[in-house]
Amino acid sequence: NAGVMQNPRHLVRRRGQEARLRCSPMKGHSHVYWYRQLPEEGLKFMVYLQKENIIDESGMPKERFSAEFPKEGPSILRIQQVVRGDSAAYFCASSPSPMSTDTQYFGPGTRLTVL
Amino acid sequence: DQQVKQNSPSLSVQEGRISILNCDYTNSMFDYFLWYKKYPAEGPTFLISISSIKDKNEDGRFTVFLNKSAKHLSLHIVPSQPGDSAVYFCAASETSGSRLTFGEGTQLTVNP
Repeated sequence: NAGVMQNPRHLVRRRGQEARLRCSPMKGHSHVYWYRQLPEEGLKFMVYLQKENIIDESGMPKERFSAEFPKEGPSILRIQQVVRGDSAAYFCASSPSPMSTDTQYFGPGTRLTVL
Repeated sequence: DQQVKQNSPSLSVQEGRISILNCDYTNSMFDYFLWYKKYPAEGPTFLISISSIKDKNEDGRFTVFLNKSAKHLSLHIVPSQPGDSAVYFCAASETSGSRLTFGEGTQLTVNP
C-alpha cells in the first residue's frame, strides 16, 4: 500500500514563474491537506480539500496561491508569480476521514527554491 | 500567535537514557494531540497520539503524557537509541476541524 506521494521532490523556479506541486493521497484516503514549512520553522496549515471541494483554505495566502483536488488525479497546489519568500518545503498529508482523531499521513514533501 | 510551543529547540541525550520532549498549548479547544518525527529531507512520520479524555498513552518505547489543566504534554522515549535522532514535532487539532497546528520542533540527538 503506497504512502502519500508528492512530486516533484525538488523544484527550482525563477521569480515570476509558476510552480505546480502534486500530491497523490494514500489509497482509500479522500481528504488532503497542504502544509508549508519555512526554514527554521514548524509546519503551517495552508488548505484542506476533499474531492472537488475546498473545505478550509484559511491558511492560504490570499493572492497567487490556489489548490484543487479534482475527481480524477492528484491534488495540485499552484503558486503563480513566485517570489523568493515562497521558497519552502511544501508537505501534503492525507487521511481517510475528516475526524480530528484520524491520523494524517505525510508525503516526503516538495522543496521549492525560488531564484 | 503561536498556539503550540516547543520551547526547547534542541535536546541531547545519551543512548539508553530517557528523552523527554515538552510541548505547551494555549488553545482550549484543542482535544487531540500528536507527535511526529522528522528526518532531514523527509516528511513527518506519525509516532503517537493522545485524546484529551486521556492523560497517558503508551506505545512501546514511546509514552505521551497530557496535563490538560496545565495545557502541557510531553513525549518520553525510553530507552533512547541513536536512530531516534531527529526533529520531533508536537501537533494539535480541534474536534470541529481536522487541521493540525504544529509546534516549532525539537531536534533530539541521541549520542552513542
